[in-house]
Amino acid sequence: DSGVTQTPKHLITATGQRVTLRCSPRSGDLSVYWYQQSLDQGLQFLIHYYNGEERAKGNILERFSAQQFPDLHSELNLSSLELGDSALYFCASSARAGVNTEAFFGQGTRLTVV
Amino acid sequence: DQQVKQNSPSLSVQEGRISILNCDYTNSMFDYFLWYKKYPAEGPTFLISISSIKDKNEDGRFTVFLNKSAKHLSLHIVPSQPGDSAVYFCAASTKYSGAGSYQLTFGKGTKLSVIP
Repeated sequence: DSGVTQTPKHLITATGQRVTLRCSPRSGDLSVYWYQQSLDQGLQFLIHYYNGEERAKGNILERFSAQQFPDLHSELNLSSLELGDSALYFCASSARAGVNTEAFFGQGTRLTVV
Repeated sequence: DQQVKQNSPSLSVQEGRISILNCDYTNSMFDYFLWYKKYPAEGPTFLISISSIKDKNEDGRFTVFLNKSAKHLSLHIVPSQPGDSAVYFCAASTKYSGAGSYQLTFGKGTKLSVIP
């Protein structure tokens, strides 16, 4: 158990819809990273939040957005969903933004768009 | 443009023998390298890391070697056990501008099968 909790574990929705994925980081971790893993692909970095502030963006579509709340949990919002958005979405947390250290991953949310 | 490459999608090894997983990178700004292990239906689990100032790091049965001039790193598992069967991801990071963001760039993974 990494201490990172993601909900829901599975999500099936129709094209055009909007979903919200939730992540609770490890206790004390201020950084939350979101990653997307599509079929046969490595994990692709989407976005990083540190203590409520956006720190970096990767290959995140404009239809996607995220935020980190005062209690440090984070949500990834995916809208106008397309079939190609079907993927595993992982959240990871780490202790501080200014230190290069390992990140701890949640179990992921498997999103299926039909 | 794939900055972290794991050219072997799969590897089979006999139990008790050495497993060697390889990883190449192209971005010379990477300064921290990690290996993650992933079982089906689970998130990646951190295994071992190495800073660019070192060329070797060891943790029990796991050793990571870094060859900066060749932009190559490898993970050695000795002895290999059936429970090591998983997908292994190589990852690298560098400081993202001045924002203190250390997002990871992952390879596509190598599926290791340890045969009893």
